Amino acid sequence: EAQVTQNPRYLITVTGKKLTVTCSQNMNHEYMSWYRQDPGLGLRQIYYSMNVEVTDKGDVPEGYKVSRKEKRNFPLILESPSPNQTSLYFCASSLGPPAGTTSNQPQHFGDGTRLSIL
Amino acid sequence: ELKVEQNPLFLSMQEGKNYTIYCNYSTTSDRLYWYRQDPGKSLESLFVLLSNGAVKQEGRLMASLDTKARLSTLHITAAVHDLSATYFCAARNYGGSQGNLIFGKGTKLSVKP
Repeated sequence: EAQVTQNPRYLITVTGKKLTVTCSQNMNHEYMSWYRQDPGLGLRQIYYSMNVEVTDKGDVPEGYKVSRKEKRNFPLILESPSPNQTSLYFCASSLGPPAGTTSNQPQHFGDGTRLSIL
Repeated sequence: ELKVEQNPLFLSMQEGKNYTIYCNYSTTSDRLYWYRQDPGKSLESLFVLLSNGAVKQEGRLMASLDTKARLSTLHITAAVHDLSATYFCAARNYGGSQGNLIFGKGTKLSVKP
């Protein structure tokens, strides 16, 4: 079954304690993205990756790091989390670019990770 | 900087009625996407609109794009309860990266019997 898997689904942690949210896809997709969703703000893109070792900043990259060492994995790293990073995070993958022209290659989203930073 | 605005943000409608959700964007964009999110769930891609005048339909939902007016609409025909969800539109900055999408804040639709 085609899937984007995020872990953990829920995490409560404290300010400053480094954490990693993993994302894995089994569809051999080239493009992967991280978004955060906040009430009243919709989804905002944090980082995206076009392929292995190729990443770029989205709209709200501050305080986050990513890496893409393998095609299937795209972890999101919070080196020193702060309360303003409390949010619902989604990972997504697609065969083509998320904003590309191929209509039959939509983004597939994971189930989300709810992070609470105290 | 591209901004994407949806309205209304909340919509309560009765089954069987028609309604339209509007998505305006502030600068040139050459493509527009619609997504659906059920409560507590992830996002699902609905439509991709790639040119001026594009219209796509699936079931009771029809999406259209007017790039000159910088406007996309999502029309709901004869709403049913199963359509209750939050709907997002997203656009790409024309000339920007194909990896970068800007989302609207979402329209939370509630269809009541």
